[in-house]
Amino acid sequence: GQSLEQPSEVTAVEGAIVQINCTYQTSGFYGLSWYQQHDGGAPTFLSYNALDGLEETGRFSSFLSRSDSYGYLLLQELQMKDSASYFCAENRGSTLGRLYFGRGTQLTVWP
Amino acid sequence: NAGVTQTPKFRVLKTGQSMTLLCAQDMNHEYMYWYRQDPGMGLRLIHYSVGEGTTAKGEVPDGYNVSRLKKQNFLLGLESAAPSQTSVYFCASSYSKSGGNQPQHFGDGTRLSIL
Repeated sequence: GQSLEQPSEVTAVEGAIVQINCTYQTSGFYGLSWYQQHDGGAPTFLSYNALDGLEETGRFSSFLSRSDSYGYLLLQELQMKDSASYFCAENRGSTLGRLYFGRGTQLTVWP
Repeated sequence: NAGVTQTPKFRVLKTGQSMTLLCAQDMNHEYMYWYRQDPGMGLRLIHYSVGEGTTAKGEVPDGYNVSRLKKQNFLLGLESAAPSQTSVYFCASSYSKSGGNQPQHFGDGTRLSIL
């Protein structure tokens, strides 16, 4: 089932920084991915963490703490176009290639 | 740059009808997946395939069947459609197991309504 927990909604203003948290509960954890989805369109891959620490990709960063079963997506210098749904997704096991998605966080960026 | 292509984009069915959703990818990916997305539920895996000729069940496989006769195509079938299958269906593919440098690439979705 969906054992990942993330907030359902987050709001922020342009230029601000926002953090979207994701907690997971599984003994077979392998890695955590983040996907973005605009207006119900095709989800697109943002980042992935398999090891503890911060991964930075431009304005977006993702963090993982395996000991806390917790990760977050950090969005800096927010722009209107960042308004979208953001999903954390868990890899379980090193062979199956499956992803388990959270329910998503709707981010609204205000001018 | 076609990527992952899903057909049809929209469809309305009556309860009990059957149909097949087609997914095609041109990236030579080994893994392919079918998800459904319902409001507030995120993406749930229906079936997936780790290579040509193989299929496996995901989280919500009941009422669906799949086939992967060719590496580039992954078909999702509804034998007897039910209103509970009203959803948006996404197909995805990845080069190998997901994670790290092997993200999943998604199609634009098929919006299916069962009356």
